[in-house]
Amino acid sequence: GDSVTQMEGPVTLSEEAFLTINCTYTATGYPSLFWYVQYPGEGLQLLLKATKADDKGSNKGFEATYRKETTSFHLEKGSVQVSDSAVYFCALTNTNAGKSTFGDGTTLTVKP
Amino acid sequence: DGGITQSPKYLFRKEGQNVTLSCEQNLNHDAMYWYRQDPGQGLRLIYYSQIVNDFQKGDIAEGYSVSREKKESFPLTVTSAQKNPTAFYLCASTPGRGEQFFGPGTRLTVL
Repeated sequence: GDSVTQMEGPVTLSEEAFLTINCTYTATGYPSLFWYVQYPGEGLQLLLKATKADDKGSNKGFEATYRKETTSFHLEKGSVQVSDSAVYFCALTNTNAGKSTFGDGTTLTVKP
Repeated sequence: DGGITQSPKYLFRKEGQNVTLSCEQNLNHDAMYWYRQDPGQGLRLIYYSQIVNDFQKGDIAEGYSVSREKKESFPLTVTSAQKNPTAFYLCASTPGRGEQFFGPGTRLTVL
């Protein structure tokens, strides 16, 4: 079956540091890939997505590129802020029904 | 505004009680999902429904039940058979192959 593996956390960075959260996947066919963010006590929000190989998703300074050759979708941001502290989930959807497979989440803490 | 609402935000259950968590969406999405999230953990799928009057078990359905009588509504009942129900419950919907839209969650605590 499909699976998503995320870099284990927690990750602690200083403000303005560079962020990378690794995500690799196993899936048949051509899944769509997503990054979601969850702030404390809230539901998940879509951060960015990519629907085909070599697509780059971007939002709020975050970027991720769909790499089919390495089955990866790593999340990056050039300069993190304290307000980026949250849990980040990588996910894929591989059916028209919309059922998704999620990674275990990576907790990011940014210190001033 | 379109979106997903969950109620209540906080819920307390005594031992042996059944409780029902509400999930409503006005996005006209066909598919809806219930997830359980434990502290520091990822999401685990409880039940999902791709169409009205039909639903399927997810990975951890034991001790839970659902109904899908209307497209907009997908309530989850946590029964007394669920021995460790304390968790954060998230409802989501999707129009198809795209992203899932999540509600704000319900935190259930067993007293």
